[in-house]
Amino acid sequence: GAVVSQHPSWVICKSGTSVKIECRSLDFQATTMFWYRQFPKQSLMLMATSNEGSKATYEQGVEKDKFLINHASLTLSTLTVTSAHPEDSSFYICSARDPPGQGANSNQPQHFGDGTRLSIL
Amino acid sequence: GENVEQHPSTLSVQEGDSAVIKCTYSDSASNYFPWYKQELGKRPQLIIDIRSNVGEKKDQRIAVTLNKTAKHFSLHITETQPEDSAVYFCAAKQAGTALIFGKGTTLSVSS
Repeated sequence: GAVVSQHPSWVICKSGTSVKIECRSLDFQATTMFWYRQFPKQSLMLMATSNEGSKATYEQGVEKDKFLINHASLTLSTLTVTSAHPEDSSFYICSARDPPGQGANSNQPQHFGDGTRLSIL
Repeated sequence: GENVEQHPSTLSVQEGDSAVIKCTYSDSASNYFPWYKQELGKRPQLIIDIRSNVGEKKDQRIAVTLNKTAKHFSLHITETQPEDSAVYFCAAKQAGTALIFGKGTTLSVSS
């Protein structure tokens, strides 16, 4: 089955530093990847949609200058949390979608990475 | 955009009982409805999904029903076991877009 690898799994860093999270599709090419954030005991909230070779599309309320997304290849998307502060502490999880299938019913499942737990001190 | 509502937020059942979680969605263009189980600190795990051209789908103790007219879908777990205890999320999407999740249901199965 499709595998999405996310790294690192856990980060602790000081306030003001920048943190880069990688999301890789291991056995398929992902033209589109999605980044979610999940605070404790809450749901997964979509932050942005990352498209290979073009600018990411951010959801309302998500600062694009703070959460930098790069999707330079068909198997790698990165999320950089710049100048991180304690309120950015959260579980960040990426997902990738199989390339669109054929026909009208081409809605493909999303495959999730293991997530990154980010703690800002 | 899509908005998904999920109820109840918590559900406690005795082992062997059935559990039902309900979701509604707002965007009539949505055509894919998965259910995920998430254990603490881990990724969501897909447990069952249904597409809009199907009204019901079953996989052993788990079933999902979809009512497109009413824009709601439900997860049914029969013969619950303690290992079914987790947080369950419903989600909805249309082709080419991201999954939008409900707020989750914490299911507790006591033996």
